Amino acid sequence: DQQVKQNSPSLSVQEGRISILNCDYTNSMFDYFLWYKKYPAEGPTFLISISSIKDKNEDGRFTVFLNKSAKHLSLHIVPSQPGDSAVYFCAASARGGGADGLTFGKGTHLIIQP
Amino acid sequence: EAQVTQNPRYLITVTGKKLTVTCSQNMNHEYMSWYRQDPGLGLRQIYYSMNVEVTDKGDVPEGYKVSRKEKRNFPLILESPSPNQTSLYFCASSLRQLGADTQYFGPGTRLTVL
Repeated sequence: DQQVKQNSPSLSVQEGRISILNCDYTNSMFDYFLWYKKYPAEGPTFLISISSIKDKNEDGRFTVFLNKSAKHLSLHIVPSQPGDSAVYFCAASARGGGADGLTFGKGTHLIIQP
Repeated sequence: EAQVTQNPRYLITVTGKKLTVTCSQNMNHEYMSWYRQDPGLGLRQIYYSMNVEVTDKGDVPEGYKVSRKEKRNFPLILESPSPNQTSLYFCASSLRQLGADTQYFGPGTRLTVL
């Protein structure tokens, strides 16, 4: 049973527009959420995170929104740039951000069209 | 340069032939872990280590062994590889266990077991 779901395997967005990547979770014990970005032939890199005590966290062009009642989070990228083309993984932790026990989604491949 | 290195990057082997994938980090991180990435399944944790001589099972430990004799190294051992262990493997490290958002990933090792 998948506890972290990214239902869109891929997403295509025009350069300059907003990219919205979605993630749903089922485990109500999750209290910390992260987004990782992965380029081909490289390992994932940490992008942004949010604690369950917040509903929004912003870092430059990247904003993560958390809706606890809906068990849903989203990553907004504004404006989208060609270098944002990558696979994005949503991950959740039930241990306050502990690196052990992270549960990952399957990933969404974001393609930024020029 | 802060980094996590893995060797080899690519490996093709046959069923039953023991192999070791090495992982090394130069950041003096306490916490290290191994993941595997499979199509449609995202990243799943195999084993992790909170410090020297302290290791524990992740979500999918069957068929794997690890050791942590030195802080910087965390090798992944497949005593008798099988075709279902064909996968893309990532090593990761973070300063502490409670540091998912400081987690550095290696570049990955693509393993094929025939």
